[in-house]
Amino acid sequence: QSVLSQPPSVSAAPGQWVTISCSGSRANVGDNYVSWYRQFPGTAPQLLIYDNNKRPSGIPDRFSGSKSGTSATLGITGLQTGDEADYYCATWDSGLSGVVFGGGTRLTVL
Amino acid sequence: EVQLVESGGGLVQPGGSLRLSCAASGFSFSSYTMNWVRQAPGKGPEWISSISFSSTNKHYANSVRGRFTVSRDNAKTSLFLHMNSLTADDTAFYYCARDITGGHGFQHWGQGALVTVSS
Repeated sequence: QSVLSQPPSVSAAPGQWVTISCSGSRANVGDNYVSWYRQFPGTAPQLLIYDNNKRPSGIPDRFSGSKSGTSATLGITGLQTGDEADYYCATWDSGLSGVVFGGGTRLTVL
Repeated sequence: EVQLVESGGGLVQPGGSLRLSCAASGFSFSSYTMNWVRQAPGKGPEWISSISFSSTNKHYANSVRGRFTVSRDNAKTSLFLHMNSLTADDTAFYYCARDITGGHGFQHWGQGALVTVSS
């Protein structure tokens, strides 16, 4: 059971927009920065969003992040079939004194 | 270019020990906190340990505390993970990871080292 809760799966059509939620508590999401990752099978996770809403160099602006209270959201616009992957949120947990990951969300582009 | 290369993975019997290494290059290794993240087959990533740039601060996930020890050699730009009392639940790919400069998020990852605990 992950400390951070994500929906197991989401789906949308190509070109559409999808959001993935990440719900936690004050000790993690509420008081700390959230990051988001995309992972394709057989590869290491790739950082999409850091510090709640910032994109690393090379990540297109189709990807966005936001946070409100104890929940964070990843948004992806202009969905492409190549976006099909597993998505994870992560943040520091002040109570656990460690980084925690969400359970992951499988994105299907129909 | 930042490069992180893990080594030392393999097959180990339950109760055994193993040491993983991560060779870092392309950045000022001694200036960064470094992390170990593992991922069991079919599961999500699990952060297991971090070590500050000077080795002063070390943190561990509850699942490995007391069994795993993180260390680093800044002169050799290397990160280590000493793993003891291994169980089947420790079977996973083990990645070393580094935060993005000036922010919070693992931007740089190694290719991973597979540790299999089985008799």
